[in-house]
Amino acid sequence: QSALTQPRSVSGSPGQSVTISCTGTSSDVGGYNHVSWYQQHPGKAPKLILYDVSKRPSGVPDRFSGSKSGNTASLTISGLQGDDEADYSCCSCAGSYPLIFGGGTKLTVL
Amino acid sequence: EEQLLESGGALIQPGGSLRLSCAASGFPFSKRSMTWVRQAPGKGLEWVSTIDGTGDSTYYADSVKGRFSISRDNSKNTLYLQMNSLGAEDTAVYYCAKHLPGYYYYMDVWGKGTTVTVSS
Repeated sequence: QSALTQPRSVSGSPGQSVTISCTGTSSDVGGYNHVSWYQQHPGKAPKLILYDVSKRPSGVPDRFSGSKSGNTASLTISGLQGDDEADYSCCSCAGSYPLIFGGGTKLTVL
Repeated sequence: EEQLLESGGALIQPGGSLRLSCAASGFPFSKRSMTWVRQAPGKGLEWVSTIDGTGDSTYYADSVKGRFSISRDNSKNTLYLQMNSLGAEDTAVYYCAKHLPGYYYYMDVWGKGTTVTVSS
C-alpha cells in the first residue's frame, strides 16, 4: 500500500481553526474507520490524539476533532494555540496490517 | 505511569545486524500488543512490525520482512527487534509503542526512540 496523502504544511493564527486532510483509497481510509492521528513536536515521540476517526484519548482537549468523507479523513484543530505547532500524521489500514502512515503535515501557528 | 524505554541503537555498517530493546513499565505488558515504528531523518513515520500480547502473532512491513524479527519476553517486560542485513534505508529513529487497550491499530504510549545509523 502507498502512503496516505497529506499536505506538507498548513498554517493559522492563534484562535483560528485549521483542517488537515489525509487522503487514501477505498481499501484503507474509505473502507474502514481505523483512522488515527498523531501529533509530534520536534525531537519528540508521536502522541495519539484521535482514533477511530474521531475519538479522543483521555487528556486530549476537545479542540481536536476528526471526520471522514469517502477516502479522505480530516483533523480539525480549533482555537489554535502556540503549543499546537507540530507535525501531524494520519494512519490507517486496510482492515488489518500493514499500518499506513501519511507523510506528515507541519502546522505553523503564525 | 506507563513508560517505554528503547535501547540498542548504534552506528552500524551496511550488511550488519543489531538488536533493539524496549523496556516497559506501568502497565500489564503481557496483555498489550506492541509495535515498532521508525522515522528516517526528515521523513514521515513508517510502521515496521507488530506483535500480540502472547507473541504468537507477528506482522511485518514488506520493507523489512525476512530481515527483521520482532519478539518479546513477558517475564522481563521487554520488547525486541532483531535487525539483519541492514542497509542505508534502515537509518532512522526507532520507536516502540504500546497499543491502546482493546484496539489493534492505535498506539497510545511511545518511547523516546533510539537511533540507528547504517553507514560505512
